[in-house]
Amino acid sequence: NAGVTQTPKFQVLKTGQSMTLQCAQDMNHNSMYWYRQDPGMGLRLIYYSASEGTTDKGEVPNGYNVSRLNKREFSLRLESAAPSQTSVYFCASAGQGVYGYTFGSGTRLTVV
Amino acid sequence: QKEVEQDPGPLSVPEGAIVSLNCTYSNSAFQYFMWYRQYSRKGPELLMYTYSSGNKEDGRFTAQVDKSSKYISLFIRDSQPSDSATYLCAMTPVHYTGANSKLTFGKGITLSVRP
Repeated sequence: NAGVTQTPKFQVLKTGQSMTLQCAQDMNHNSMYWYRQDPGMGLRLIYYSASEGTTDKGEVPNGYNVSRLNKREFSLRLESAAPSQTSVYFCASAGQGVYGYTFGSGTRLTVV
Repeated sequence: QKEVEQDPGPLSVPEGAIVSLNCTYSNSAFQYFMWYRQYSRKGPELLMYTYSSGNKEDGRFTAQVDKSSKYISLFIRDSQPSDSATYLCAMTPVHYTGANSKLTFGKGITLSVRP
């Protein structure tokens, strides 16, 4: 099915470990986004990429890095995970002529 | 004041009720308004999309925008248990994707429709 694919779906990390969340879209969208969703906080933008080759910080970028590998793929890296990064992470994409964002199904990350 | 405020809920209604979900916003530049539906343990999905002021209807759902009051609403008629989900409003100044077209989301309200 066309859409946004996120891997992994679930992950448990120990404090200080690193990991990369993967996101790929097959809709030829230019823009891609990483959000985290926490109870009572809503969706908060971590980083976004308006087009291939560009990335910019969002509302809560500290502790994260991103790579726009190509037009399809946008990864999020946690270099040294902290319990405060326990959250559900969503990747989204948007393209010209398309209304709104298409979201992936999320990655549930627990840092212990 | 946050740019987008949404009633925190949760909201519980009996099956068949009319549901009204609302958001207010402060940025008068917002032109494009959306409602997303998010089922438990799933990603948000676009439900309704409206441009500027007015109403838009899609089956049992009606989206309403009042730019003069900076107020948007989503109405659900004849609500069903399958409508139980979290509903998020979102808005943006420009439609074209790019650095300035980022969506601003409300925090979402969880709706439960009791059989």
